[in-house]
Amino acid sequence: GEQVEQLPSILRVQEGSSASINCSYEDSASNYFPWYKQEPGENPKLIIDIRSNMERKQIQELIVLLDKKAKRFSLHITDTQPGDSAMYFCAASKNNNAPRFGAGTKLSVKP
Amino acid sequence: ETAVFQTPNYHVTQVGNEVSFNCKQTLGHDTMYWYKQDSKKLLKIMFSYNNKQLIVNETVPRRFSPQSSDKAHLNLRIKSVEPEDSAVYLCASRSRTGQNYAEQFFGPGTRLTVL
Repeated sequence: GEQVEQLPSILRVQEGSSASINCSYEDSASNYFPWYKQEPGENPKLIIDIRSNMERKQIQELIVLLDKKAKRFSLHITDTQPGDSAMYFCAASKNNNAPRFGAGTKLSVKP
Repeated sequence: ETAVFQTPNYHVTQVGNEVSFNCKQTLGHDTMYWYKQDSKKLLKIMFSYNNKQLIVNETVPRRFSPQSSDKAHLNLRIKSVEPEDSAVYLCASRSRTGQNYAEQFFGPGTRLTVL
């Protein structure tokens, strides 16, 4: 099945700086790439997603980029705040197949 | 309230026992999923159901079985639990008809501890 690699596993940044998480996938037919944020003791919640007909999408401080040729996509959080500290998961899916998740990135934003 | 509901929140049991977890969604979705999240936070798909038909059956141990009475419910039964089954089990649902790439909504999870 689809394998999704996610790096880094741990990311520590200073408040106000940017944070970047990178993912890669194997199946070139994958066409939907969601990002989830999971806070301690909570369930994963969708924060942004991108479809294969787009290369870039931005929602406020969140930017996702998709490079279909390289089979890579990334999440960039600009102007990070302590409230951004959480686990972040990327995922990839083909049509309506169950999304496969990356291993997660633990983001810590230091005040 | 429309959401994905799971019961119980926590369950502690002993090796060899049978357990059953419930999941209900009131979002009107027609595809439901079970994921296992281990202590390292790895999220792995276990099953997905669409209109009572199993559409994804990952290579999970046979002691795991999904059970669905209708498209709003997808329960998970573990016949004889083993220590490595200790994890958080997350139920999710999604709309499959119409828009292809609908968002998955997750339930709060059931934390299983096997002693």
